[in-house]
Amino acid sequence: EPEVTQTPSHQVTQMGQEVILRCVPISNHLYFYWYRQILGQKVEFLVSFYNNEISEKSEIFDDQFSVERPDGSNFTLKIRSTKLEDSAMYFCASSGAGGFGTEAFFGQGTRLTVV
Amino acid sequence: SQQGEEDPQALSIQEGENATMNCSYKTSINNLQWYRQNSGRGLVHLILIRSNEREKHSGRLRVTLDTSKKSSSLLITASRAADTASYFCATAPISSGSARQLTFGSGTQLTVLP
Repeated sequence: EPEVTQTPSHQVTQMGQEVILRCVPISNHLYFYWYRQILGQKVEFLVSFYNNEISEKSEIFDDQFSVERPDGSNFTLKIRSTKLEDSAMYFCASSGAGGFGTEAFFGQGTRLTVV
Repeated sequence: SQQGEEDPQALSIQEGENATMNCSYKTSINNLQWYRQNSGRGLVHLILIRSNEREKHSGRLRVTLDTSKKSSSLLITASRAADTASYFCATAPISSGSARQLTFGSGTQLTVLP
């Protein structure tokens, strides 16, 4: 069964460092998303990406964040200068032609710990 | 309450019993989805129900949607210990765009005792 894969599963970084979280969405999907879940809190939307550009972003997704689809398969989330409060589980998701009008598939997540 | 709020927050039942979780939301939606999350793991999509649907079944899952009350329920029948997880509802808003962000609730922690 096709699945969304994320690497690494766990990343520990020093405050102020840049991190790149990687995702390989399902190959024929067109819409890509990043969500995050701070420990014990709700899953929060960060950004959606379609046709090689950002479609929507939340207020969490400030200038410190960026996304890229560098090739036909990878979808990355970069945090330029990490803060302690960026510690969270980050989920990548993808969906087919209907966006979230159709089923969305989530990856297993990357647990980011900023120390 | 915020968009996509589940109740109860925690539910503990015996194996074989049915589990019912509820979700309320505030704004108009395109669809509502239920997800499961095992502790510290990813989100697994369970079922999607569109705003023009009232009930949907998938295996032991039954989802209802009442758009007039802005609420949904997830019923798991004949529960198993393996159903122990957090269950989230997530709403997709009506939007002119094709890519829609989901708004997740706080979740219901279900514990099924053997």
